[in-house]
Amino acid sequence: IAGITQAPTSQILAAGRRMTLRCTQDMRHNAMYWYRQDLGLGLRLIHYSNTAGTTGKGEVPDGYSVSRANTDDFPLTLASAVPSQTSVYFCASSEETGSSDTQYFGPGTRLTVL
Amino acid sequence: GQNIDQPTEMTATEGAIVQINCTYQTSGFNGLFWYQQHAGEAPTFLSYNVLDGLEEKGRFSSFLSRSKGYSYLLLKELQMKDSASYLCAPMDSNYQLIWGAGTKLIIKP
Repeated sequence: IAGITQAPTSQILAAGRRMTLRCTQDMRHNAMYWYRQDLGLGLRLIHYSNTAGTTGKGEVPDGYSVSRANTDDFPLTLASAVPSQTSVYFCASSEETGSSDTQYFGPGTRLTVL
Repeated sequence: GQNIDQPTEMTATEGAIVQINCTYQTSGFNGLFWYQQHAGEAPTFLSYNVLDGLEEKGRFSSFLSRSKGYSYLLLKELQMKDSASYLCAPMDSNYQLIWGAGTKLIIKP
């Protein structure tokens, strides 16, 4: 069982380009999340999905979009990348969206926008 | 607003005990998580507290006081592999985790 996988591991992208970060989990978790992590700041929630077919906006959604066509996959798309989107992106999942539901994280994607 | 406060960095000696404090202000409260994150890796779950008191799990313990908006993580018998960042994350009324910037723990031999 792989848990959560993310691709690519790292990417250097020219500003203005479109980019999709992939996230797949095999734990049949209903809830999935996208975070970004920047030096000196806590993880910040970009978008989330409580169950397949639904998505919601987190703290920093601007410039990002997501889809949840099925339980396993939760891709994050940057429509037109900007340098401020340089960050480490983590995908996470939990069984449900509830008070005791632990979030499990993928290995992350390191994205640099030039 | 929502705010998490934890020390930026702490140093401790191998074999010793260290306490990492976290104070928080959130809109509602649905428990508090502690995660460990080694450099260049993903966060991994350590503990969850929803009621006041101490939860012990091996060398790690976590304490919560809801009335004070306060939690700490206690690490005993420190090992070099405990060198990592420790992230405090209370859950708000919308069941979203609010993450602190983390405490970088440096273990010296």
